[in-house]
Amino acid sequence: QVQLVQSGAEVKKPGASVKVSCKASGYTFSAYYIHWVRQAPGQGLEWMGWINPNSGDTNYEQKFQGRVTVTGDTSITTAYMELSRLGSDDTAVYYCARPGSISSLPDGFHIWGQGTMVTVSS
Amino acid sequence: EIVLTQSPGTLSLSPGERATLSCRASQSVSSRYLAWYQQKPGQAPSLLIYGAISRATGIPDRFSGSGSGTDFTLTISRLEPEDFAVYYCQQYDSSPRTFGQGTKLEIK
Repeated sequence: QVQLVQSGAEVKKPGASVKVSCKASGYTFSAYYIHWVRQAPGQGLEWMGWINPNSGDTNYEQKFQGRVTVTGDTSITTAYMELSRLGSDDTAVYYCARPGSISSLPDGFHIWGQGTMVTVSS
Repeated sequence: EIVLTQSPGTLSLSPGERATLSCRASQSVSSRYLAWYQQKPGQAPSLLIYGAISRATGIPDRFSGSGSGTDFTLTISRLEPEDFAVYYCQQYDSSPRTFGQGTKLEIK
């Protein structure tokens, strides 16, 4: 079945970087964008950006520009989200998500990873 | 960016009742590029409605979406115990793909 499986929880110190992986299975990885969404404890959902695994093109929410890098490795059907210069307000659950429509067609997120908790603490 | 405002913040109802959740956009969302998600504690969000009116796979027909332009509604016709959760709307008409702040549906 179609699924996204993310890497495990991380604890990082302020100023460090974190890299979260999202392993896709059950579909053609290169045919669908992968988006990243985060959720701080007790808060709402915040969209971070996407990658087109076929081309490597990316698009990021402006507030994360310069700090976030989303990449994809089609050989192992895995997407990555790296966030640098971490602060305490980056403590959140990070989700990868996949639209229902292929490539650039706008769509909601039909498939979600299970989430990865990232804790930033000194 | 398109700001989505959901109301009410919290909705207290009993099983069997009808729930009406609102999502208002700061500017028109074209082509009904609006989705609704349900999130239960400790779980990832799950898609309920996309294209403003289309139910996602496996979603029961007590869930329905309506609206266009700047005003959208999620209706749950008869609440089941498993429907008590937090609901988010999201627009995917333009970047950034913004979410509303959520409506918590709680048992009265």
